[in-house]
Amino acid sequence: EVVMTQSPATLSVSPGEGATLSCRASQSVSSNLAWYQQKPGQAPRLLIYGASTRATGIPARFSGSGSGTEFTLTISSLQSEDFAVYYCQQYNNWVTFGGGTKVEIK
Amino acid sequence: QLQLQESGPGLVKPSETLSLTCTVSGGSISSGNYYWGWIRQPPGKGLEWIGSINYSGSTVYNPSLNSRVTISVDTSKNQFSLKLSSVTATDTAVYYCARVALYSPFDYWGQGTLATVSS
Repeated sequence: EVVMTQSPATLSVSPGEGATLSCRASQSVSSNLAWYQQKPGQAPRLLIYGASTRATGIPARFSGSGSGTEFTLTISSLQSEDFAVYYCQQYNNWVTFGGGTKVEIK
Repeated sequence: QLQLQESGPGLVKPSETLSLTCTVSGGSISSGNYYWGWIRQPPGKGLEWIGSINYSGSTVYNPSLNSRVTISVDTSKNQFSLKLSSVTATDTAVYYCARVALYSPFDYWGQGTLATVSS
């Protein structure tokens, strides 16, 4: 099983500031990596796939990078609606999710 | 617009079988090279993939749940279903259904349904 590790567990950020979230895979997943956003009581929403391609309708302030085992999600300037939990997911070898990073208001 | 909707009992007794159905609307479950999957999320915790199925009935399961999971498809009803046997309290979770293509992420999700295991 490919283990996905996200850091930090919680990130405190002021509105308008940027945020960088990390995701590490226990073995290479190539670029088969997605990022999701989840708000309380809602299903996850696909943000990024292929490590760096934004899904339909996702604002340009969200960007993804990385390949192999190290990945990053960057939010350039946090808006109020961006405070949520973010999950990475690999789909190179079965499917596994990271434990999530909660982005909270500082 | 593709929509998915989970349904099923919200309460299941320990040792029994949890059964859920996902109804797909706004598109055919038989079209395209898609799989249809189940993902769960225990209260306050992260996401766990359970398994996926395509329109012809080909399945892939999470190895950690493989012995207890059965996923089936009914193309005439545009539905697919999950059965999880011998449940315990640790199976209490919100269960989501979602669409996925091979080597792709889950792009459409249902709203989720809470299944509680309790006597």
